[in-house]
Amino acid sequence: ETGVTQTPRHLVMGMTNKKSLKCEQHLGHNAMYWYKQSAKKPLELMFVYNFKEQTENNSVPSRFSPECPNSSHLFLHLHTLQPEDSALYLCASSQDWAGGSSYNEQFFGPGTRLTVL
Amino acid sequence: GENVEQHPSTLSVQEGDSAVIKCTYSDSASNYFPWYKQELGKRPQLIIDIRSNVGEKKDQRIAVTLNKTAKHFSLHITETQPEDSAVYFCAASGGGGSYIPTFGRGTSLIVHP
Repeated sequence: ETGVTQTPRHLVMGMTNKKSLKCEQHLGHNAMYWYKQSAKKPLELMFVYNFKEQTENNSVPSRFSPECPNSSHLFLHLHTLQPEDSALYLCASSQDWAGGSSYNEQFFGPGTRLTVL
Repeated sequence: GENVEQHPSTLSVQEGDSAVIKCTYSDSASNYFPWYKQELGKRPQLIIDIRSNVGEKKDQRIAVTLNKTAKHFSLHITETQPEDSAVYFCAASGGGGSYIPTFGRGTSLIVHP
């Protein structure tokens, strides 16, 4: 499969559950991102990884825990979430600054629609 | 850090009319300004971008203009069609050597047939 894929596409969980979102990119990019998209804050950057190293944590609560085992895979581990965490979680990838340019198109995955009960 | 403001938040036009969405940015060192389109239930996708060494770029019915002095850039869609209905996001990057884009809050464009 090409591009950026995300699983699952839909997830319903209780506040005491633990779940994980998975993202995979087949574009040879070095940077991967997690975004939260909700009506109140349309595209909210959460985390950035560059060559598997976390370079950005945008003041995200610790109930969200990212993991990047390699440049192609990115996970978002969820635990003890709140109903206000219900949103669309988008993964994206791009080339990074080391690629020699800041003209870096973001390629988004289809997103995981998360509902916290 | 960079701050991107986008207006309007909602834009309603009749089919065939033109639509203009405007963004301002705060970091004069930003040098890359992409526009993304997100159709309902789909992922954002790049539709056009402009670099700081260019003042205008066109691709069929869409165009983007950049005014570096005023630090604003705009998306222009001519002869709008119902399939243009979507949320459009502007972004800016390159300031401080960062490749990470800062997005505007989005504009919901509705094209009435």
